[in-house]
Amino acid sequence: KQEVTQIPAALSVPEGENLVLNCSFTDSAIYNLQWFRQDPGKGLTSLLLIQSSQREQTSGRLNASLDKSSGRSTLYIAASQPGDSATYLCAVGAFKAAGNKLTFGGGTRVLVKP
Amino acid sequence: DGGITQSPKYLFRKEGQNVTLSCEQNLNHDAMYWYRQDPGQGLRLIYYSQIVNDFQKGDIAEGYSVSREKKESFPLTVTSAQKNPTAFYLCASSNGGRTEAFFGQGTRLTVV
Repeated sequence: KQEVTQIPAALSVPEGENLVLNCSFTDSAIYNLQWFRQDPGKGLTSLLLIQSSQREQTSGRLNASLDKSSGRSTLYIAASQPGDSATYLCAVGAFKAAGNKLTFGGGTRVLVKP
Repeated sequence: DGGITQSPKYLFRKEGQNVTLSCEQNLNHDAMYWYRQDPGQGLRLIYYSQIVNDFQKGDIAEGYSVSREKKESFPLTVTSAQKNPTAFYLCASSNGGRTEAFFGQGTRLTVV
């Protein structure tokens, strides 16, 4: 059974510092990996999707890498801002035969201090 | 605008009562999912459906039921058999992983 872990569970940084969020998974047979942002009491907003054949994806200040062989993904957020404060969740996608289900990590709660 | 709509935003359930959470999408996605989120935890899969009139149990299906009569709709019923239903429920849809999954804004269910 796929298990996804995110460490640390919480992170506090001063504004302007780069953020590095880690995600590890136990089964390398994945279809894709997705990073989400969740604000308190809200739904999930998709940040980046990496297909299993890709090594990284970039969007603005965000960059996500994927190393299937080691079961790891890292989300980098450059020059953090107070508006980046939120919980960040990674999710590993299964193949279609397994319903394309997403298995989530527990999330990393980020606080960016002005 | 395309997206997923969940209703209601807040729901209160009495002991022994069944309640139904609504999820509607206009993204033309084939697959839809229901997740449960407890405080400080990640999301756990309740049920999912890849096509109309077909659905499968997820990791924590006991005490829940679903239907998929239309492509756009995937309602979740929380039955009286679910002993600890207080949680935040999230609905999602995707087109098979080729693009990102989209989530609704969630329904917070509380037992009173």
